[in-house]
Amino acid sequence: NAGVTQTPKFRILKIGQSMTLQCTQDMNHNYMYWYRQDPGMGLKLIYYSVGAGITDKGEVPNGYNVSRSTTEDFPLRLELAAPSQTSVYFCASSYSRVMGVGNEQFFGPGTRLTVL
Amino acid sequence: DAKTTQPTSMDCAEGRAANLPCNHSTISGNEYVYWYRQIHSQGPQYIIHGLKNNETNEMASLIITEDRKSSTLILPHATLRDTAVYYCIVRQHAGNNRKLIWGLGTSLAVNP
Repeated sequence: NAGVTQTPKFRILKIGQSMTLQCTQDMNHNYMYWYRQDPGMGLKLIYYSVGAGITDKGEVPNGYNVSRSTTEDFPLRLELAAPSQTSVYFCASSYSRVMGVGNEQFFGPGTRLTVL
Repeated sequence: DAKTTQPTSMDCAEGRAANLPCNHSTISGNEYVYWYRQIHSQGPQYIIHGLKNNETNEMASLIITEDRKSSTLILPHATLRDTAVYYCIVRQHAGNNRKLIWGLGTSLAVNP
């Protein structure tokens, strides 16, 4: 299994440009997440999904959109890039268990985004 | 949501045990303690989790106090590759909510 893969690894955007960060997992996990991590800080949740067709906002959703048309894919869309969105973006997935007993998240390698 | 407090940084000699403390005094009865680590520039990696009993796996041991207000992650024989930021997280529990609230973690430096 490849686990969680993310593309691209690096990207530089100009202010106002748009882009989609891709995330794919091959573990048949129903939960998927997008985080951002600013330098020296912990991760902040942007959006998450509990299954295909279902998404919900996290702590910092403004400026982003997501969709979940398949179990495997969970792309993150930036519509009008701003310098404040310069960050490292991590995608993660986990398997939901009915009683919530342990659902460790598996992370991708990250996308380093710079908005100038 | 229960919050966690961890020391900002710690040092450990290679081959020795690394003991990383975490305070979570407001933890509620159905919240689990999770530990992740993040090696520089990589995605976080799950280490271990527990509710109230001590837990051990191939990577580490987790000791949770009887009152559950604190815990310690133990890396029994630290290697240079264990140098990373270690995050102690109390998992928010509300129905289907599986969100993890990340703090700043402890930066562990394993020295030769």
